[in-house]
Amino acid sequence: NAGVMQNPRHLVRRRGQEARLRCSPMKGHSHVYWYRQLPEEGLKFMVYLQKENIIDESGMPKERFSAEFPKEGPSILRIQQVVRGDSAAYFCASSIAGVGTDTQYFGPGTRLTVL
Amino acid sequence: GESVGLHLPTLSVQEGDNSIINCAYSNSASDYFIWYKQESGKGPQFIIDIRSNMDKRQGQRVTVLLNKTVKHLSLQIAATQPGDSAVYFCAETHSGNTPLVFGKGTRLSVIA
Repeated sequence: NAGVMQNPRHLVRRRGQEARLRCSPMKGHSHVYWYRQLPEEGLKFMVYLQKENIIDESGMPKERFSAEFPKEGPSILRIQQVVRGDSAAYFCASSIAGVGTDTQYFGPGTRLTVL
Repeated sequence: GESVGLHLPTLSVQEGDNSIINCAYSNSASDYFIWYKQESGKGPQFIIDIRSNMDKRQGQRVTVLLNKTVKHLSLQIAATQPGDSAVYFCAETHSGNTPLVFGKGTRLSVIA
C-alpha cells in the first residue's frame, strides 16, 4: 500500500516563475493537507482540502498561492510569481477522516529553491 | 527539549539509554496530540498519538505522557538506538476540525 506521493521531490525556479507541486494521497484517503517547513523549524499549516473543496485555507498567503484537489488526479499547490522567500520544503499529508479525528500521514516533501 | 530562538534544541543520549523529549503545547482546547519523527531530507513519520481522555499511551519502545494541567507532552524512547536519531515534533489539534499545530522540534542525537 503506497504512502503519500509527492512530486517533484526537488524543484528549482527563478524569481517570477510558477511552481506546481503535486500530491497523491494514500489510497482510501480523501482529506489532504499542505504544510510548509523552513530549515530548522516546524511545519506550518497552509491549507486543508477534500475532493473538490477547500475546507480551510487560513494558513495560505492570500496572493500568489492556490490549491486544488480535483475529483480525479492529485492535489496541486500552485505558487505564482515565486520569490526567494518561497524557498522551503512543502509537505503534503492525507487522512481518512478530517482534522482531529484521524492521523495525518506525510509524503516525502517537495523542496523548492527559488533562485 | 523546548525550542529556544531559531535553533532546534538538541538532546544527546548514549546508545541504549532512555530518551525523554518534552513539548509544551499552546491550546488548552487541544484534545488530540501526535509525535512525529523527521529524518533528514524526509517527511514527518507518525510515531504515536494520544487523546486528551488519556494521560499515557505506550507503543513499541515509545511512551507518550500527557499532562493537561500544565499543557505538557513528553515522548519517552526506551533503549535508544542510532536509528532513532532525528528531529522529533509534537503536534496538537482540536477535534473540531482545526489544523495541526506543530511545535518547533527537538533534535535527538544518539551517540554510539
